[in-house]
Amino acid sequence: QSVLTQPPSASGTPGQRVTISCSGSSSTIGSNTVNWYQQLPGTAPKLLIYSNNQRPSGVPDRFSGSKSGTSASLAISGLQSEDEADYYCAAWADSLNGVVFGGGTKLTVL
Amino acid sequence: EVQLVESGGGLVKPGGSLRLSCAASGFTFSSYSMNWVRQAPGKGVEWVSSISSSSTYIYHADSVKGRFTISRDNAKNSLYLQMNSLRAEDTAVYYCASGNTAMVTSLYWFWGRGTLVTVSS
Repeated sequence: QSVLTQPPSASGTPGQRVTISCSGSSSTIGSNTVNWYQQLPGTAPKLLIYSNNQRPSGVPDRFSGSKSGTSASLAISGLQSEDEADYYCAAWADSLNGVVFGGGTKLTVL
Repeated sequence: EVQLVESGGGLVKPGGSLRLSCAASGFTFSSYSMNWVRQAPGKGVEWVSSISSSSTYIYHADSVKGRFTISRDNAKNSLYLQMNSLRAEDTAVYYCASGNTAMVTSLYWFWGRGTLVTVSS
């Protein structure tokens, strides 16, 4: 299993607010920033949130990130059908001297 | 426009070798760390290797340590991944991704479209 723990799936109806959690440890999220990636079906991952809560230019403000202690969360408000994708959190792991990704969360828009 | 174009994937037998390349354009390649990330069929993404801008710092995942080597040629704006002693579990799409600083972090600003590596007899 992954060093960063995410729920395998999440779902919501259009317009709803959905949150995806990412649980780590003191040597991962507890001491490093978290980044989130969105992977639409059949495409490469894309940076969605960086440095815990920053949005790259072009990412709608419906997407937001937060971090507290050894956990992080991605929130999507005003859910839209085009948000249906896989979402991954990532952080540096001090103990492994490398990067770790969460196992990914598949978001379904009902 | 930033472009990262991977090449070199293909079908290889277990125990064989392959060298992946990533051609970068649209940004100052020599100023940024670079990374390889892979995704096995139907699975999540997995970090493979990272290299700092001047090649001073190099990191590999435990799953590939001793078998894979990341390198770069700043004069050619190119990133490489030499893969030896390939195993069936190395079968994946391999993505090249650029960092946001000279040092290695988990922040991958741009990604290529990937190249498929299949290890099978």
